[in-house]
Amino acid sequence: DVKVTQSSRYLVKRTGEKVFLECVQDMDHENMFWYRQDPGLGLRLIYFSYDVKMKEKGDIPEGYSVSREKKERFSLILESASTNQTSMYLCASRSPFLGASPLHFGNGTRLTVT
Amino acid sequence: KNEVEQSPQNLTAQEGEFITINCSYSVGISALHWLQQHPGGGIVSLFMLSSGKKKHGRLIATINIQEKHSSLHITASHPRDSAVYICAAGKFETSGSRLTFGEGTQLTVNP
Repeated sequence: DVKVTQSSRYLVKRTGEKVFLECVQDMDHENMFWYRQDPGLGLRLIYFSYDVKMKEKGDIPEGYSVSREKKERFSLILESASTNQTSMYLCASRSPFLGASPLHFGNGTRLTVT
Repeated sequence: KNEVEQSPQNLTAQEGEFITINCSYSVGISALHWLQQHPGGGIVSLFMLSSGKKKHGRLIATINIQEKHSSLHITASHPRDSAVYICAAGKFETSGSRLTFGEGTQLTVNP
């Protein structure tokens, strides 16, 4: 079974802090994704990576950056956290070589920026 | 107008009832995903389909490509089915499938 692990379930940070959200998957998936989920807006794609050191902006990349130095790890970075980045963050992975394969999600990180 | 729209937004049912959640989309797709999210946040993929119908236990997903519409049915609903159900439309690309998500349907099944 695919396991996608996010490093923290809950995180509280202060405005202006640099925040790292880590995601690790154990199934050698090429594709990894970072989403945020807000009430009334659903899941929105921040960034995705289709292979090591490859990344592509999603729909709402402003204020975020990512790092994919190893295949199993995809990090989301909030360069200077702001209160409007308080949200639930979800990481996902999939393999593009199994046809249209399903996404596998982590349990999410609920980030509060005060 | 959202590219993926679900209805209803909220649904309350009694245990044992047959439940239907609808999803309409306006984008061209290669696959339609149904996801389940329990309180606490984790999301599980239930179905991925590009035509016809799929069944897993008490859950059935159907899709009509011509009408750009999909439904998720739950037979003999149970309180443990209470969750948010999300549909997502995906267009397969060689670099990965970017999904467009509906806002979700909050289902509550009362005993």
